[in-house]
Amino acid sequence: RKEVEQDPGPFNVPEGATVAFNCTYSNSASQSFFWYRQDCRKEPKLLMSVYSSGNEDGRFTAQLNRASQYISLLIRDSKLSDSATYLCVVSTGYSTLTFGKGTMLLVSP
Amino acid sequence: ETGVTQSPTHLIKTRGQQVTLRCSSQSGHNTVSWYQQALGQGPQFIFQYYREEENGRGNFPPRFSGLQFPNYSSELNVNALELDDSALYLCASSSGLGQGSSGYEQYFGPGTRLTVT
Repeated sequence: RKEVEQDPGPFNVPEGATVAFNCTYSNSASQSFFWYRQDCRKEPKLLMSVYSSGNEDGRFTAQLNRASQYISLLIRDSKLSDSATYLCVVSTGYSTLTFGKGTMLLVSP
Repeated sequence: ETGVTQSPTHLIKTRGQQVTLRCSSQSGHNTVSWYQQALGQGPQFIFQYYREEENGRGNFPPRFSGLQFPNYSSELNVNALELDDSALYLCASSSGLGQGSSGYEQYFGPGTRLTVT
């Protein structure tokens, strides 16, 4: 089983749609969780950290379920500029990051 | 505040050669991590440096080595290059406490795209 698994997509959605991405992780000792965004041929950029209580940043909402080892990202009112690959990331106590392969999102007019 | 910088941007090498990639961490950050990202994959952890010491290593052979300097900048060296080493090499910096830390946010540089022919 891969350490971090994501649906690779692509997810094709129209502008204004709501889209959700899911991610599962295998290491129950994982302590920190993140979503990164990566544009084509660019570096990953931190989108948001994910907390057990769930957290929201504008149109983006992240949820963590430790019991099921599951992380989600919800994007509301999708914009063309949201088109990118979204990377689910977990970290253990050594503070290294383990990345999923990413989920590609394509938002069309 | 200065972000993470990497050099060179692009590099083409021949199989069997050696390469050195460089990274300057974000100001105030003392930890540097290196990742390899092959096409269509997520970044894979190579190793991490904290206060000039290696602090964790991923599943990469010894021909991948590194250094961190007193100013927290870092180098990644790869010897005996193989075709499969062609990838985007990413450096990330953070202000974590190293081994035993509960995890912290890492910020990436633009990467060095290495092509091995």
